Amino acid sequence: KNEVEQSPQNLTAQEGEFITINCSYSVGISALHWLQQHPGGGIVSLFMLSSGKKKHGRLIATINIQEKHSSLHITASHPRDSAVYICAVSPSLNYGGSQGNLIFGKGTKLSVKP
Amino acid sequence: NAGVTQTPKFRVLKTGQSMTLLCAQDMNHEYMYWYRQDPGMGLRLIHYSVGEGTTAKGEVPDGYNVSRLKKQNFLLGLESAAPSQTSVYFCASRKTGTLLNTEAFFGQGTRLTVV
Repeated sequence: KNEVEQSPQNLTAQEGEFITINCSYSVGISALHWLQQHPGGGIVSLFMLSSGKKKHGRLIATINIQEKHSSLHITASHPRDSAVYICAVSPSLNYGGSQGNLIFGKGTKLSVKP
Repeated sequence: NAGVTQTPKFRVLKTGQSMTLLCAQDMNHEYMYWYRQDPGMGLRLIHYSVGEGTTAKGEVPDGYNVSRLKKQNFLLGLESAAPSQTSVYFCASRKTGTLLNTEAFFGQGTRLTVV
């Protein structure tokens, strides 16, 4: 059983659409991370959050600790948003998080068509 | 402004050859990690280090060794490469922080093919 599940696995949108990517996890966490990976590229951290909501430009990330669920929203999507979006969690200390490792979802591949 | 730098970016090895991947970070981070990324799977932890001179096994350590002689460098070695080690390898670093809620920084990745 995967400890971090993302949905959908693949997502195609038209430019300008509002996009939501979901992440559910089954362990206690100290933080949740949203990461972005462009084709053939490295991995960039978009957000790290442990409660509530964060916004950066057209990207919004929310987390519900009680429900163990997070969402990444992209408003007014653009072709340059096409990438793989990865959800990862930092397990809390009583879930083996003492080494600072992250547990990753499999990623959501987003393609935004012009 | 380098962050985390991995070398090389691409490599093709023959089965049985050895190589070392280098990860260097200039942020004075204590924690460093090596992950592999395979199609249809999330990143999986190979080895990690919580400080200079210390290393530990992760989820998929077999066939790999690591060393962290200097705080800024974390080396991943393949002693005898196998086709199953064909993958994209990522290095990451984090600084220690309360409850480990610190941002992770990743390198650009190394695409390794073993033929």
